[in-house]
Amino acid sequence: SQQGEEDPQALSIQEGENATMNCSYKTSINNLQWYRQNSGRGLVHLILIRSNEREKHSGRLRVTLDTSKKSSSLLITASRAADTASYFCATAPQVRGSARQLTFGSGTQLTVLP
Amino acid sequence: EAGVAQSPRYKIIEKRQSVAFWCNPISGHATLYWYQQILGQGPKLLIQFQNNGVVDDSQLPKDRFSAERLKGVDSTLKIQPAKLEDSAVYLCASSTRQVSGANVLTFGAGSRLTVL
Repeated sequence: SQQGEEDPQALSIQEGENATMNCSYKTSINNLQWYRQNSGRGLVHLILIRSNEREKHSGRLRVTLDTSKKSSSLLITASRAADTASYFCATAPQVRGSARQLTFGSGTQLTVLP
Repeated sequence: EAGVAQSPRYKIIEKRQSVAFWCNPISGHATLYWYQQILGQGPKLLIQFQNNGVVDDSQLPKDRFSAERLKGVDSTLKIQPAKLEDSAVYLCASSTRQVSGANVLTFGAGSRLTVL
């Protein structure tokens, strides 16, 4: 079953604009991760945020986490055509003593138009 | 550092035939995963190995799917007999536990299966 659900399912923006994707999940988590998947390729890890963190930055990426609302958002600033890809959130459940396997959402397809 | 290797990249078979996918994880990664990704969906975990032991295979259709990880390194995923709904990309990933306790996955390029 899918733990995370991304919103929107598809997003189309112009180069230079910002892109925001949202992820909602159902159960308590140890951490939440975002991955990117280019067409026909495997997934690539982008950023991880732990359950006790509220915001994290990496280059043009900004991730927020609201555990009270069980939601996260990924912001890509100053988007480029090369950012065109599918973006997935993945959650690791809170299991006593360890973080277990990741469960992926259904993804947001981002298209950045030149 | 070499990535996660998978083969074959593409496979077309008829229903009821069998198929096997191979994965070589990143050296030193104790945890290995097989995910199934149907077109337009997110990856769904089929099985997770820790070294050569199974951690979770609750979503593996055991009547037709099997997987093994010999000597805690390479892994093989087999489907026999295949059904039309098995058409998907089979992704292998590996990870090593970070200091924080989190698992960050490195994925292979995937094996795309088409069942006719």
